[in-house]
Amino acid sequence: AQSVTQLGSHVSVSEGALVLLRCNYSSSVPPYLFWYVQYPNQGLQLLLKYTSAATLVKGINGFEAEFKKSETSFHLTKPSAHMSDAAEYFCAVTLAGNNRKLIWGLGTSLAVNP
Amino acid sequence: DTGVSQDPRHKITKRGQNVTFRCDPISEHNRLYWYRQTLGQGPEFLTYFQNEAQLEKSRLLSDRFSAERPKGSFSTLEIQRTEQGDSAMYLCASSRGTSGDVDTQYFGPGTRLTVL
Repeated sequence: AQSVTQLGSHVSVSEGALVLLRCNYSSSVPPYLFWYVQYPNQGLQLLLKYTSAATLVKGINGFEAEFKKSETSFHLTKPSAHMSDAAEYFCAVTLAGNNRKLIWGLGTSLAVNP
Repeated sequence: DTGVSQDPRHKITKRGQNVTFRCDPISEHNRLYWYRQTLGQGPEFLTYFQNEAQLEKSRLLSDRFSAERPKGSFSTLEIQRTEQGDSAMYLCASSRGTSGDVDTQYFGPGTRLTVL
């Protein structure tokens, strides 16, 4: 069965610093991978997704993620953090041919300090 | 494209009462999902519809929970005899369901349930 591990439940960075949020997955077949962001009292918004095309995926708000099969990782990065990036970030996996239900990590809360 | 909507946004109820939530998916999306999210956790899959057919239910969905999507459009999730452990955010998502494509799920704002 597939699963997702997000290392670090809380990450704090300074404004303008690099953001790195870690996600490792477990899957016996090639997965589809997603990053979603959740702002307080709001629903989940898709940041980006990996669809087995390019391994480096660019998303909204300057975020990108790289799929590394050898490391079973899909870490999320942003070169320069902005105060508005403070939110909860979730990594999720699903399988092609499945009912496409998403299996989620526990989330990483990102704080951005001025 | 108006997005996924959920109603109500907040619900406070007493233990033992029944509650019903509604989800309106993006029009022409034929897949609809329900998830539950508790504080500090990621969402957990509850159930999934392809048009009006409920194709999968999680073991998390006890017999007190029932979901319907009668005409393949909006969906309702009912919880009978609520318990304090049911307190959570209930999320609805919809997707196009296009075969052969990565099927992106779009989420509504959620319904926060508090059982006293």
